[in-house]
Amino acid sequence: EEQLVESGGGLVKPGGSLRLSCAASGFTFRNYNFQWVRQAPGKGLEWISSISSSQVYIFYADSVKGRFTISRDNAKNSLYLQMDSLTVEDTAVYFCTRGGGAWPNWFDSWGQGTPVTVSS
Amino acid sequence: SYVLTQPPSVAVAPGKTASISCGGKSIGTKSVHWYQQKPGQAPVLVVYDDTDRPSGIPDRFSGSNSENTATLTISRVEAGDEADYYCQVWDGGSEHYVFGKGTKVTVL
Repeated sequence: EEQLVESGGGLVKPGGSLRLSCAASGFTFRNYNFQWVRQAPGKGLEWISSISSSQVYIFYADSVKGRFTISRDNAKNSLYLQMDSLTVEDTAVYFCTRGGGAWPNWFDSWGQGTPVTVSS
Repeated sequence: SYVLTQPPSVAVAPGKTASISCGGKSIGTKSVHWYQQKPGQAPVLVVYDDTDRPSGIPDRFSGSNSENTATLTISRVEAGDEADYYCQVWDGGSEHYVFGKGTKVTVL
């Protein structure tokens, strides 16, 4: 069964850091592009970052550029999101998603999400 | 940056047809994807590349895209179709993925 499982979310103070992980299983991880998408409480979906299978292409939303870093470890079948200088506006559920088809992708598989709360 | 406009809500009676619009400048030149999200759950892809359905998605879900509006159509609506629906595109100009703000479908 194809699966994406996020971890690493939690409560952090403004200005703090957090590293999210996404463990993939049931498919050949290295062949796919991946994205992080977040959803603030009661709000819609917001794309925040993408990384290509070869790591050549990396993109960020303006809201996180310079503060967040996406990376992947194809040997560990894992995707990461390093989040620094967090603000209350970063409070959201963070989803790991797999890119379907050729770039640019649709998002054909989603994890269940990991919640991040930024509060003093 | 590129903006996608969706109606906040659509109400439909069981067995009828729901149409959800997604407006954007020359959206007909882009590939549009649609996601369904039920409360407390992760989104699920229901239509990709304007008109294609992933395996396991009923043929009651269909999509179209022309000029400045893409549309997700749900035929023979069931109670289980009640959810939020989001459209999404890739904006090559900004190199960003963009989501619409979502449409809440209520089954009367």
